[in-house]
Amino acid sequence: NAGVTQTPKFQVLKTGQSMTLQCAQDMNHEYMSWYRQDPGMGLRLIHYSVGAGITDQGEVPNGYNVSRSTTEDFPLRLLSAAPSQTSVYFCASSYRSNQPQHFGDGTRLSIL
Amino acid sequence: AQSVTQPDIHITVSEGASLELRCNYSYGATPYLFWYVQSPGQGLQLLLKYFSGDTLVQGIKGFEAEFKRSQSSFNLRKPSVHWSDAAEYFCAGGNSGNTPLVFGKGTRLSVIA
Repeated sequence: NAGVTQTPKFQVLKTGQSMTLQCAQDMNHEYMSWYRQDPGMGLRLIHYSVGAGITDQGEVPNGYNVSRSTTEDFPLRLLSAAPSQTSVYFCASSYRSNQPQHFGDGTRLSIL
Repeated sequence: AQSVTQPDIHITVSEGASLELRCNYSYGATPYLFWYVQSPGQGLQLLLKYFSGDTLVQGIKGFEAEFKRSQSSFNLRKPSVHWSDAAEYFCAGGNSGNTPLVFGKGTRLSVIA
């Protein structure tokens, strides 16, 4: 039972590069979300999805893109990486948004 | 607007002492409330949840929390802290609609001998 799997665990990018953070869950959860965690800022919601084909913006969506073509996968794309996007990114899933969320182990992203 | 506030950024307690971490919420209706714990380098793990009913809820690792509507609070407690409890703790809230949870900014717990 994998739960929520995030890849990669670590990544270093140069400013302007693009990349995709992968998130997959095997619990048949409808709701999935992406957060970034920065010191003193807690968890800030980037994007979320209430089901396949449906996505919406969270608190800090600028510079990020998402899609939800399947129930299992919810990738996060950085379109043109900036140093301000250096952070730890967490993916989470649950049956509904107000149900307990299961978190992945995070992706530590550094942008130089 | 719905919000969750954790007033304490950092708390230090002695091993074996009792612990209370504060959480205040701002929701119109009865909220769904959660406490999560994050160990260094790890993701968040659910400690306990409150949806309705008994206002004192028990969680894993010996933690409990009490929902107090009159004080808009959902404080986390543990009678005797262990060194392994050192971590970051997050309170989160939601409502009956399909809107995202709102997380507090977290409280970092240090445990000293």
